[in-house]
Amino acid sequence: NAGVTQTPKFQVLKTGQSMTLQCAQDMNHEYMSWYRQDPGMGLRLIHYSVGAGITDQGEVPNGYNVSRSTTEDFPLRLLSAAPSQTSVYFCASSPLPGQGHTEAFFGQGTRLTVV
Amino acid sequence: DAKTTQPPSMDCAEGRAANLPCNHSTISGNEYVYWYRQIHSQGPQYIIHGLKNNETNEMASLIITEDRKSSTLILPHATLRDTAVYYCIVLPTTGGTSYGKLTFGQGTILTVHP
Repeated sequence: NAGVTQTPKFQVLKTGQSMTLQCAQDMNHEYMSWYRQDPGMGLRLIHYSVGAGITDQGEVPNGYNVSRSTTEDFPLRLLSAAPSQTSVYFCASSPLPGQGHTEAFFGQGTRLTVV
Repeated sequence: DAKTTQPPSMDCAEGRAANLPCNHSTISGNEYVYWYRQIHSQGPQYIIHGLKNNETNEMASLIITEDRKSSTLILPHATLRDTAVYYCIVLPTTGGTSYGKLTFGQGTILTVHP
């Protein structure tokens, strides 16, 4: 049981490049979300999804795109990377209410640097 | 959503109990208190949660005041591996648009000393 797996673990991008951060979970959780964490700060919600085909914006969605074609996968796309997007990105999953324990499980993070 | 207030840092001697306070004076009746911790920039890890009764699991105990306006996370025998940032979060778990949207504040940096 791998839990939440994020790839890559580290990435360096040039300004203007695009890329996709991958997130996969094997716990059959309906709820998945992406957070970013800047140095010395708490995590901030970027986008979330309550199931396949359903996504919505969080607190800081600008510059990011998501889709949810399967229950397992929730990729995060950076459309045109900017230095302000240098951060650590965390993916999380949790069951919906009534589907068991409601705690969130987090991946180990993707450390992104935009130069 | 209810906001939480935590002290920015605390120290604890190894083997002693660590008591981490959290104030959530605007908590609503359907909001639970959750605690997570983050060890050295790893992904946050769930510790415990509760509604109004005290809770205990293999990691910690959670004491919630009767008026639910504050709570205390207790690590009964802190070890060096418990050094981490601890986040107190209030969250409705009965559905709705706020479900699952964890709001992380600054948390409390707990340092456990030998």
